[in-house]
Amino acid sequence: AQTVTQSQPEMSVQEAETVTLSCTYDTSESDYYLFWYKQPPSRQMILVIRQEAYKQQNATENRFSVNFQKAAKSFSLKISDSQLGDAAMYFCAYQRALYNFNKFYFGSGTKLNVKP
Amino acid sequence: DAGVTQSPTHLIKTRGQHVTLRCSPISGHKSVSWYQQVLGQGPQFIFQYYEKEERGRGNFPDRFSARQFPNYSSELNVNALLLGDSALYLCASSLVSQSYEQYFGPGTRLTVT
Repeated sequence: AQTVTQSQPEMSVQEAETVTLSCTYDTSESDYYLFWYKQPPSRQMILVIRQEAYKQQNATENRFSVNFQKAAKSFSLKISDSQLGDAAMYFCAYQRALYNFNKFYFGSGTKLNVKP
Repeated sequence: DAGVTQSPTHLIKTRGQHVTLRCSPISGHKSVSWYQQVLGQGPQFIFQYYEKEERGRGNFPDRFSARQFPNYSSELNVNALLLGDSALYLCASSLVSQSYEQYFGPGTRLTVT
C-alpha cells in the first residue's frame, strides 16, 4: 500500500527567508505523480506544485520548487522568499498513474508559520 | 467560472442521525471524489464517481454511501453517525476518471455530538 509521511508537524520561517518541507513516500509503482497542496485557514486545498515521476527535472513554480529523489522516495518542497501569505498547512500527496480511478494519498501535513 | 462548491458549509448532527452532503463540480467535469479530513490529519479518500458510476472506494464502512446525478453533482450520505465521523468533508472534481488535475471545494465541516 502507498503511504506518504511528513515528519515535520510544524515549521517556522522568517519572512523573506527560505524553508524546506520534507516528504517521503512508499510505493512499488514506477509511474506516479507527487503533489504539494496548501490548505489555508479557509480550508480550500490549493495545488502548489506537481511532479511527474518519469521526469528527472525538478518542478518549479515561481518561488516554489521541489527536490525529487526517486530512488530515495523523497519529495521536498522549497519555498523561497517566504511571504506572510504562505502561512498554511502543507500536504504532500501521491497519486498512482495509469490507474482506473483517482485516489490521492495524503500525508499528515506540516503547519508552516511565517514570522514578520 | 465557478469552482467546486459544497453545501452546507457547517453542520451539527447528533450520534445516530443521518447526514447528506452535497457537491457541485466545475462545469464540464464529470468526476467527483470525496475525502474525509479528520482534524490534524490529511484527507482520506472515500469515493470517486465518474459518469454516475462508482469508480473507486476507500476503506470506509457501509454507513458511507454516495451517488452522482445526471448533471454530475454528487451527494455523500452517512448513516448512523458516530462521534468519529466529525471531520471536514472535501469534494474534488476532475474532467476525467484518471486525472492528476483535481480541484477541491471548500469542504463541509461536520460535527457529531
